[in-house]
Amino acid sequence: GAVVSQHPSRVICKSGTSVKIECRSLDFQATTMFWYRQFPKQSLMLMATSNEGSKATYEQGVEKDKFLINHASLTLSTLTVTSAHPEDSSFYICSAARDRRLFSEQFFGPGTRLTVL
Amino acid sequence: RKEVEQDPGPFNVPEGATVAFNCTYSNSASQSFFWYRQDCRKEPKLLMSVYSSGNEDGRFTAQLNRASQYISLLIRDSKLSDSATYLCVVSSNTGNQFYFGTGTSLTVIP
Repeated sequence: GAVVSQHPSRVICKSGTSVKIECRSLDFQATTMFWYRQFPKQSLMLMATSNEGSKATYEQGVEKDKFLINHASLTLSTLTVTSAHPEDSSFYICSAARDRRLFSEQFFGPGTRLTVL
Repeated sequence: RKEVEQDPGPFNVPEGATVAFNCTYSNSASQSFFWYRQDCRKEPKLLMSVYSSGNEDGRFTAQLNRASQYISLLIRDSKLSDSATYLCVVSSNTGNQFYFGTGTSLTVIP
């Protein structure tokens, strides 16, 4: 399968700081990238969908001003958690797809564990 | 009502056992169904798609019951390496949105 990387894999930050997470598709061009959040013992929750060159589409209840998404190229999307608070501590996973309609062709990154102190 | 519901388990089974998980969904017009496997602190990985006619891949069998709105995953001859969380995923009727179940935890014991 295709390879998707995320960086950093783990980050610990102080409350009030901003954290940027990168998601890269290494061997294919991803027209669509998805960002998920997963709290302990809970399912993945889709936060937003981003298409290259256009604004991200956020799911209900996700603050777009707090979770800034930039999909500047076909191989890179970034998620910035602004003014992070302890309740933002979670496992953030991105996925990339050539075609968003083909869910089974969606490849997940290894995730970023964010801890906000 | 949640879009997708799964029994979280945990299921603890001995090696060699057969174990089955079910996942119910609320939207009768859902189009696509999948089972994913997620190891602890790792990303989900596609295990298999679920087709209307049912499908099998080695020790794994997936089935769809549209009348009762559930999908199932059967694992035969469980291996230690099968220990993981199994997530079901169901699409919306448009096929543009996908909903994850909370996952079912399986531990295979020697």
